[in-house]
Amino acid sequence: AQSVTQLDSQVPVFEEAPVELRCNYSSSVSVYLFWYVQYPNQGLQLLLKYLSGSTLVKGINGFEAEFNKSQTSFHLRKPSVHISDTAEYFCAVIDRGSTLGRLYFGRGTQLTVWP
Amino acid sequence: NAGVTQTPKFQVLKTGQSMTLQCAQDMNHEYMSWYRQDPGMGLRLIHYSVGAGITDQGEVPNGYNVSRSTTEDFPLRLLSAAPSQTSVYFCASSYSIVGNEAFFGQGTRLTVV
Repeated sequence: AQSVTQLDSQVPVFEEAPVELRCNYSSSVSVYLFWYVQYPNQGLQLLLKYLSGSTLVKGINGFEAEFNKSQTSFHLRKPSVHISDTAEYFCAVIDRGSTLGRLYFGRGTQLTVWP
Repeated sequence: NAGVTQTPKFQVLKTGQSMTLQCAQDMNHEYMSWYRQDPGMGLRLIHYSVGAGITDQGEVPNGYNVSRSTTEDFPLRLLSAAPSQTSVYFCASSYSIVGNEAFFGQGTRLTVV
């Protein structure tokens, strides 16, 4: 089974600063990788996903993530954050070979953007 | 297009009561699942289904039952509510098992007193 580690539970940052939210997963088998965002009192919505191809993936709202197979990482980045980016962010993994398609989630990182 | 609809949005139960959380999707998705979200724990899988008539246990299935009689609906039943089941519950669906985006409902905030 996979485990997903989000190294920072809280990331405070000032508006217009860059941010990186870190994600590592446990297994070296081939995986699909996702980042989801959850705004207060809402469900999760997909930010971006890596299925294959280029290791740099661009998503919505100016976010991007880079898949690093050797380091089993999938860190999320944004060069300049806005107050509206304040939310909880979840990294998730599916094993490619899985017939069950189970999503394994990290514990989440709360991003707070200050003016 | 409603997506994934969960009802109710909020619920308070007394210990020992039973109830059903409803989940419906209108996207003809085969794969549906239930998660619970607790502070600092992320999302943990309760039960999932890969199609009508097929369900299986996830990470934290105890105290919960599911069934999948139609593609659209995937209700979650709490058999005898306990305070440890106080949580936010999310239903999700996706078109196929692997590699596709999961769509989430808005969640049900359940409190067991």
